[in-house]
Amino acid sequence: RKEVEQDPGPFNVPEGATVAFNCTYSNSASQSFFWYRQDCRKEPKLLMSVYSSGNEDGRFTAQLNRASQYISLLIRDSKLSDSATYLCAVIPYNTDKLIFGTGTRLQVFP
Amino acid sequence: NAGVTQTPKFQVLKTGQSMTLQCAQDMNHEYMSWYRQDPGMGLRLIHYSVGAGITDQGEVPNGYNVSRSTTEDFPLRLLSAAPSQTSVYFCASFSTGQENYGYTFGSGTRLTVV
Repeated sequence: RKEVEQDPGPFNVPEGATVAFNCTYSNSASQSFFWYRQDCRKEPKLLMSVYSSGNEDGRFTAQLNRASQYISLLIRDSKLSDSATYLCAVIPYNTDKLIFGTGTRLQVFP
Repeated sequence: NAGVTQTPKFQVLKTGQSMTLQCAQDMNHEYMSWYRQDPGMGLRLIHYSVGAGITDQGEVPNGYNVSRSTTEDFPLRLLSAAPSQTSVYFCASFSTGQENYGYTFGSGTRLTVV
């Protein structure tokens, strides 16, 4: 089993839609969680860290469910500019390694 | 601040050649990592370092060497290039002291081995 697994993509949604991505992790003691955004042929950029209590940044909400070992990213009121690949990343317990999922492609259409 | 700088941006190698991918950061980050990204595989960790003089293997270390003689630089060496090493390589750095902490990535090196 991979350490970090993501929803298979692509997700094709209309502008204004709400879309959610999930990401599961295998190490129950993992300590740090992140969502990254990657545009085509560009480097990943940190979208948001995921905190235990959940956190929100504008239209983006990240949540952590330790019992079920997954993190989620909710995007409300999708914009065309949200089209990208969204990568989750985890730092497993007692390591300094940042491990990524394979990414989920989002395409927002007019 | 330049952030994380990778050179070269593009490279074509012949099978068996060696080369070094350069990575430098000017943010005084203690953590640095190298990833490769292949279609459908996501980002896979090659090697990482938690400080000058300290390196460790990631998920796919075979065929690559690293060293960390200074905080700023973390070069990745391909010992004998193989077509399977054709990929996009990203260097990243991180500090536990930064706000909203998370890795900052360089713009990548696109490597083709023929």
